[in-house]
Amino acid sequence: KNEVEQSPQNLTAQEGEFITINCSYSVGISALHWLQQHPGGGIVSLFMLSSGKKKHGRLIATINIQEKHSSLHITASHPRDSAVYICAVRSDPRGSNYKLTFGKGTLLTVNP
Amino acid sequence: EAGVTQFPSHSVIEKGQTVTLRCDPISGHDNLYWYRRVMGKEIKFLLHFVKESKQDESGMPNNRFLAERTGGTYSTLKVQPAELEDSGVYFCASKGATYEQYFGPGTRLTVT
Repeated sequence: KNEVEQSPQNLTAQEGEFITINCSYSVGISALHWLQQHPGGGIVSLFMLSSGKKKHGRLIATINIQEKHSSLHITASHPRDSAVYICAVRSDPRGSNYKLTFGKGTLLTVNP
Repeated sequence: EAGVTQFPSHSVIEKGQTVTLRCDPISGHDNLYWYRRVMGKEIKFLLHFVKESKQDESGMPNNRFLAERTGGTYSTLKVQPAELEDSGVYFCASKGATYEQYFGPGTRLTVT
């Protein structure tokens, strides 16, 4: 079992729908990242969370440290949001490495 | 500011051959990471450089993989001899003083 589990693996939505992608992890972490990868494109960092909630435009990320769970929400989804969304955690105890452990990603397709 | 660049973008080699991947981090970033995504699996950490020193190479799969970062600038990852299971996308990321890792576009390696 992977240390970072994402659900769903694939998600298809209609333009305008509210989208939620979930991430659960089994290790203690110091930070959690949400990343985005468009088809054929590079990986872009969306959020880094260690507690609470962050919002950037139509994207909202939340984390519950006690439950070891994070969610990424997209409001008023648009076809350009179609991408792979990846959850990654930093769990190194020494605090100097910052290597990331990744989930498998969620492929989101938003249809017009 | 130029982003992280990787070369080549795609490499197709035969089993038993040697391939060298290159990563140029963002100028001034001391931290450089190599990651790999094998088809159908999650992205996995390979190793981490701080300047020219290997901070953590716990993710390197075996001694067919050799990473270097002479002078603390660009890094190379050599696979010799390549095996079929080495096929995948190799990502490089660099990090400066903040938490954020900046990813390169990746090198898609196909071993036939």
